[in-house]
Amino acid sequence: KAGVTQTPRYLIKTRGQQVTLSCSPISGHRSVSWYQQTPGQGLQFLFEYFSETQRNKGNFPGRFSGRQFSNSRSEMNVSTLELGDSALYLCASSPTGGSGENEQFFGPGTRLTVL
Amino acid sequence: SQQGEEDPQALSIQEGENATMNCSYKTSINNLQWYRQNSGRGLVHLILIRSNEREKHSGRLRVTLDTSKKSSSLLITASRAADTASYFCATVTRGSNYKLTFGKGTLLTVNP
Repeated sequence: KAGVTQTPRYLIKTRGQQVTLSCSPISGHRSVSWYQQTPGQGLQFLFEYFSETQRNKGNFPGRFSGRQFSNSRSEMNVSTLELGDSALYLCASSPTGGSGENEQFFGPGTRLTVL
Repeated sequence: SQQGEEDPQALSIQEGENATMNCSYKTSINNLQWYRQNSGRGLVHLILIRSNEREKHSGRLRVTLDTSKKSSSLLITASRAADTASYFCATVTRGSNYKLTFGKGTLLTVNP
């Protein structure tokens, strides 16, 4: 089976712009989670989607949003970008259950740089 | 906020030696997971240990869990240069709807 794929792999944006990141989970996986990784804050949970419904949400402002499609592919959107949004954004999928019930399979990440 | 805290933050050893990393957490867990991340890339799942388990093995990896001390350890035996990576523990707190919370990680360097 193909692994989790994320597009694009690298992205450069300027403050105030918005960005959409995409994640395709492993075939058959219904749970998709998103994480932000920065040197200062480490890995932080953004949200989890399961069967097109947001099941869990981390402590991020409303500028961060996401959605999941019927084929389990997921997108996350960040509006009005700030310098502090520069990070590696990781997507992970799992077959069933909550994001932590089983092992998570991670994609390679999207490196977002905000200038 | 971090639930799991790894110790040490960085560890440097020679090839062939064993590496031990520790993780402490604050509240009751459903399970605890260890992940590895090679520089700036995606995470790879290593082991999941549930709250009613005390020890698990996978190849050269051994994970222990002590719920009374709220701590876990990851032992890598006979380390190799390819084991150089950051290692993270992640906890699923009871009542969190299975949300996974990561620690800040231990950077392991294995010198050839």
